[in-house]
Amino acid sequence: SQTIHQWPATLVQPVGSPLSLECTVEGTSNPNLYWYRQAAGRGLQLLFYSVGIGQISSEVPQNLSASRPQDRQFILSSKKLLLSDSGFYLCAWSRQGGKDTQYFGPGTRLTVL
Amino acid sequence: SQELEQSPQSLIVQEGKNLTINCTSSKTLYGLYWYKQKYGEGLIFLMMLQKGGEEKSHEKITAKLDEKKQQSSLHITASQPSHAGIYLCGAATQGGSEKLVFGKGTKLTVNP
Repeated sequence: SQTIHQWPATLVQPVGSPLSLECTVEGTSNPNLYWYRQAAGRGLQLLFYSVGIGQISSEVPQNLSASRPQDRQFILSSKKLLLSDSGFYLCAWSRQGGKDTQYFGPGTRLTVL
Repeated sequence: SQELEQSPQSLIVQEGKNLTINCTSSKTLYGLYWYKQKYGEGLIFLMMLQKGGEEKSHEKITAKLDEKKQQSSLHITASQPSHAGIYLCGAATQGGSEKLVFGKGTKLTVNP
């Protein structure tokens, strides 16, 4: 069976510091991978998605970037965090081919002070 | 762009009562997904609907997609405290798309 991991579970960072959140999927190959942010009152916002190694699509211009160095690894980064980057970050995966269910990781709670 | 409107935003019911949550789209739905989220946790997949008029059930939860494929409802029968959480609907933005858009969620509280 497939599992998806995210770490860290929680993170408190000062403004201007760098960020690296990691997501890994087990039990499947060549998945689509997604990064979402969930902020209070704003729902679930798609940030990036990837259909393969090195292929990243950005949905919203922002202070963040994503990379996919390996087939089942997805990383969310920032060089300098802003207060507005605080939120709950969720990684998800789906099988290739479109219209397939997305399965979510446990999430990372990021607080920028 | 496609938007999903969920209603109500929040719902408080007594244990044992039935309830319905709605999800309405501004465009035709190419796949409608229902998820449940407990606070501070990831989303748990419940059901996926694709065809107009389709209905699926899992335990005491039933989801329906209308014939025009622009509205879905989630019905819980004889609610229990374990049903409490946030329910989100998500939809493919177009046929064959890898991307989903989500509603803002409905917060359900079930009082014992």
